[in-house]
Amino acid sequence: GAVVSQHPSWVICKSGTSVKIECRSLDFQATTMFWYRQFPKQSLMLMATSNEGSKATYEQGVEKDKFLINHASLTLSTLTVTSAHPEDSSFYICSARNEDSVFYGYTFGSGTRLTVV
Amino acid sequence: EDQVTQSPEALRLQEGESSSLNCSYTVSGLRGLFWYRQDPGKGPEFLFTLYSAGEEKEKERLKATLTKKESFLHITAPKPEDSATYLCAVRDPRSNDYKLSFGAGTTVTVRA
Repeated sequence: GAVVSQHPSWVICKSGTSVKIECRSLDFQATTMFWYRQFPKQSLMLMATSNEGSKATYEQGVEKDKFLINHASLTLSTLTVTSAHPEDSSFYICSARNEDSVFYGYTFGSGTRLTVV
Repeated sequence: EDQVTQSPEALRLQEGESSSLNCSYTVSGLRGLFWYRQDPGKGPEFLFTLYSAGEEKEKERLKATLTKKESFLHITAPKPEDSATYLCAVRDPRSNDYKLSFGAGTTVTVRA
């Protein structure tokens, strides 16, 4: 089945530093990937849609200069949290759309727990 | 305006006690309703995709059904390992980017 690998699974960083999270589709090509943020006991909040070879589309209220998204290949999208602050601490999850499959259309990564201290 | 509403928020079941979770949606021109299971600290795991009213899908103790306004996830004779948060999502028909809109989820706890 379709597999999406997300790394790292957790990261602790100092306030003011930047953190990069990778999302890879391992056995399929993903023209479109999505980045979500999830707060404790809440559902997934879409941050942005990442399209290979073009600029990401950000949801309303998401700072594009703070959450940099790069989708340079059909199997890799990255999210960089720039100048991270404690309020950026959250669980970040990516998903990839498998265009070749109707049933497994959206596969999720295992998530990244970001803690900014 | 919320497109996807799930109920109940939480469900506590005894092992073997069957129950159903509800997912109601308001989008017109549905292009797919998805059920996912999410364990704490993990990403969502795909369960089912439903596309048209009357459609049903089954997997082990889980069965998903779809009407024109809602979907149900039936859990038959649940076991403790079925404890998780179950998320429902619909593909946003207004989006050309195939975005999903998620409900808030139902957290199921099955006691042995």
